[in-house]
Amino acid sequence: AQSVTQPDIHITVSEGASLELRCNYSYGATPYLFWYVQSPGQGLQLLLKYFSGDTLVQGIKGFEAEFKRSQSSFNLRKPSVHWSDAAEYFCAVGPSGGSYIPTFGRGTSLIVHP
Amino acid sequence: AAGVIQSPRHLIKEKRETATLKCYPIPRHDTVYWYQQGPGQDPQFLISFYEKMQSDKGSIPDRFSAQQFSDYHSELNMSSLELGDSALYFCASSFTGDGNEAFFGQGTRLTVV
Repeated sequence: AQSVTQPDIHITVSEGASLELRCNYSYGATPYLFWYVQSPGQGLQLLLKYFSGDTLVQGIKGFEAEFKRSQSSFNLRKPSVHWSDAAEYFCAVGPSGGSYIPTFGRGTSLIVHP
Repeated sequence: AAGVIQSPRHLIKEKRETATLKCYPIPRHDTVYWYQQGPGQDPQFLISFYEKMQSDKGSIPDRFSAQQFSDYHSELNMSSLELGDSALYFCASSFTGDGNEAFFGQGTRLTVV
């Protein structure tokens, strides 16, 4: 069974600082990997995804993530955080074949200080 | 671009009542998923449908049922509501021809009082 671990429940950064949110997955084959962002009371918005190919993927809002097979990781990064980035971030994994059901991590809450 | 539409956005019900949540997937999407997100929790998969047939089942209580109709919209029916059913319910849809990327609706916030 696939699973996702987001080890950080909360991350606090200052506006303009760089950001890295950690995500580790467990899956027998090469998975599909996703990062979603959720603002309070809102739905899940896809930031970026990895299916195959280049292991560094670019997403919306200036985010990027790097797939590292050897570390089973898919960390999300942003070079300079804006106050509007404060939200809940979910990493998700989906199987690369057959029935596709995204499994979510527990989320990391990003707090941005002015 | 069209997105996944969920209705209602907010719903307040009393214990032991029933509730019906609706989901309208993106046109031409053939798969619908339902998720439940409790307060401070990650979204938990409930059930999915592919081409109007149930395809997978997750942690959906027996009090809940769902179906997908001929126009591909889906409904989640919840009976004998409990306080613990209070949550944000997400619907997502995908198209198998597009790598199965799931697009999520904004959710229905159900409050059971």
